[in-house]
Amino acid sequence: ETGVTQTPRHLVMGMTNKKSLKCEQHLGHNAMYWYKQSAKKPLELMFVYSLEERVENNSVPSRFSPECPNSSHLFLHLHTLQPEDSALYLCASSQVEGYEQYFGPGTRLTVT
Amino acid sequence: QKEVEQNSGPLSVPEGAIASLNCTYSDRVSQSFFWYRQYSGKSPELIMSIYSNGDKEDGRFTAQLNKASQYVSLLIRDSQPSDSATYLCAVLGGSSNTGKLIFGQGTTLQVKP
Repeated sequence: ETGVTQTPRHLVMGMTNKKSLKCEQHLGHNAMYWYKQSAKKPLELMFVYSLEERVENNSVPSRFSPECPNSSHLFLHLHTLQPEDSALYLCASSQVEGYEQYFGPGTRLTVT
Repeated sequence: QKEVEQNSGPLSVPEGAIASLNCTYSDRVSQSFFWYRQYSGKSPELIMSIYSNGDKEDGRFTAQLNKASQYVSLLIRDSQPSDSATYLCAVLGGSSNTGKLIFGQGTTLQVKP
């Protein structure tokens, strides 16, 4: 596979569930990002990892927990989410932090 | 004031015309600027990046940057119906947001056959 991949593509979960989103980049990049895209709102940066180290946590609630085990993989662990967390969650990567970012296809999350 | 502002549109142009998309930003020290295209239900796709004042051309696309006036624009020549999408302007934060890409809300472009 090439580029940035994300699984699952769609996820429906209840407010008491725990689930994880997975992102994998095949571009040899050193920085990875999680974004949230809600209807009628700009893309919101959630987390930035550079060389597997978290360098940015953009005031995200603790019910979202990121994990970056290596420079190719990024996870977003979800627990006790709220209906307002329903959105498109996008992963991106770049050669270095702040450079051109390339997005994965996203996970459409619905919290019921 | 929003950090990155775009007119949400929709901007409607006839096929073959030039579409002009504009973006203004608030942080004077921003150095890197990007345009992404996002089709409905899809993720953003990088189409242009620009770092210095002036024009940068790539095929039918031209990005224009004016740091003194704090605006960046995207021109699409010979617009095609397949260009119909939302165009997102993104600015790499300056001193207060180092490493963070700040997105505008996007401009929806409709190219009518």
